[in-house]
Amino acid sequence: AQSVAQPEDQVNVAEGNPLTVKCTYSVSGNPYLFWYVQYPNRGLQFLLKYITGDNLVKGSYGFEAEFNKSQTSFHLKKPSALVSDSALYFCAVRDIGADYKLSFGAGTTVTVRA
Amino acid sequence: DSGVTQTPKHLITATGQRVTLRCSPRSGDLSVYWYQQSLDQGLQFLIQYYNGEERAKGNILERFSAQQFPDLHSELNLSSLELGDSALYFCASSAGLAENTGELFFGEGSRLTVL
Repeated sequence: AQSVAQPEDQVNVAEGNPLTVKCTYSVSGNPYLFWYVQYPNRGLQFLLKYITGDNLVKGSYGFEAEFNKSQTSFHLKKPSALVSDSALYFCAVRDIGADYKLSFGAGTTVTVRA
Repeated sequence: DSGVTQTPKHLITATGQRVTLRCSPRSGDLSVYWYQQSLDQGLQFLIQYYNGEERAKGNILERFSAQQFPDLHSELNLSSLELGDSALYFCASSAGLAENTGELFFGEGSRLTVL
């Protein structure tokens, strides 16, 4: 089965510093990888996805993610974090086959301090 | 606004009771997914419907059931509720299979509290 792992429960950074949220994946075949963000008391919002092509994917709100096949990683990055980026971030992988459902990692809570 | 509507937003009920959660997908989306989010289990996939038919089943308890109606809205029925069923239940939708690149659009969730 396809799966993703987020090794860090929490990431704390100062505003203006680079932000990295880690994700590793385990898949059969080519991975379809996603990042979602959840703000307090809200639903999940799509940030970006990797299906094929360029290993550096750009998404919403200045986020980008780097797909690394050799390290089976798909880390989310932002060059300069904002306090408003504080939220819960989920990495996800789409299952193979016809059901298209996403399997999510456990989530990483990002806190950006002013 | 994702375009996915879930009702009710909050629900408090007692053990042993039955509740129904409702989801209206984005206009034109044929697939509906239900997820459960709890502190100890994280975000767990429950079930998926595509154009009225069950497509995939995840960690859904036998006490839970769902359906998708001809107008594509979906309902998740939770019965014989237990304290451990307290969670945030999300509905998500996506486009038809042929054009689906995997992005799901999530509603704001229904928070269920079982007392």
